[in-house]
Amino acid sequence: GAGVSQSPSNKVTEKGKDVELRCDPISGHTALYWYRQSLGQGLEFLIYFQGNSAPDKSGLPSDRFSAERTGGSVSTLTIQRTQQEDSAVYLCASSLWGSYNEQFFGPGTRLTVL
Amino acid sequence: AQTVTQSQPEMSVQEAETVTLSCTYDTSESDYYLFWYKQPPSRQMILVIRQEAYKQQNATENRFSVNFQKAAKSFSLKISDSQLGDAAMYFCAGEYIFGTGTRLKVLA
Repeated sequence: GAGVSQSPSNKVTEKGKDVELRCDPISGHTALYWYRQSLGQGLEFLIYFQGNSAPDKSGLPSDRFSAERTGGSVSTLTIQRTQQEDSAVYLCASSLWGSYNEQFFGPGTRLTVL
Repeated sequence: AQTVTQSQPEMSVQEAETVTLSCTYDTSESDYYLFWYKQPPSRQMILVIRQEAYKQQNATENRFSVNFQKAAKSFSLKISDSQLGDAAMYFCAGEYIFGTGTRLKVLA
């Protein structure tokens, strides 16, 4: 079956513009996670969804970041008024619900803010 | 896990040798799972191995095994008979909290 997909694969934007990043999880996966990975760094947790609700959004770095999930499937991460420090790879992962389940990762969206 | 710490930014191992990657964690949960993920260069993150805290026996997956020391909150990954394809970033994780990673180089 299809894995986790993310679009776009690359996004270059100008400082101050808004961007939307999309994640299509594996069908049937109720949990969905967003992470940020700066060059050569670890994964910074941003938010996770169980179905359409977000029990933990504590990792969102500022109110410029928001995310939603509709129909228990597709999720969109929106960054408003982008800054240069937002440049990173944004990874999405999905899993069956339960802390014991492995996460399946997408290829990521590389965001560059000029 | 609420915190996950990997103190080795980079490790090197000769092909066919054994290497151990270290990880410590902290959690207030009584039952939890810990994971090691692998991120090859320019490729997607994949699960290497997982361990349930309640299980006494250390998890093993072929050449990969863990040394889980619950009291010490330590969760190290041992890779035996290292292969060139093992070269990657390795991340220790507790649910959705990840360490900073260890870059493993495999020398031919």
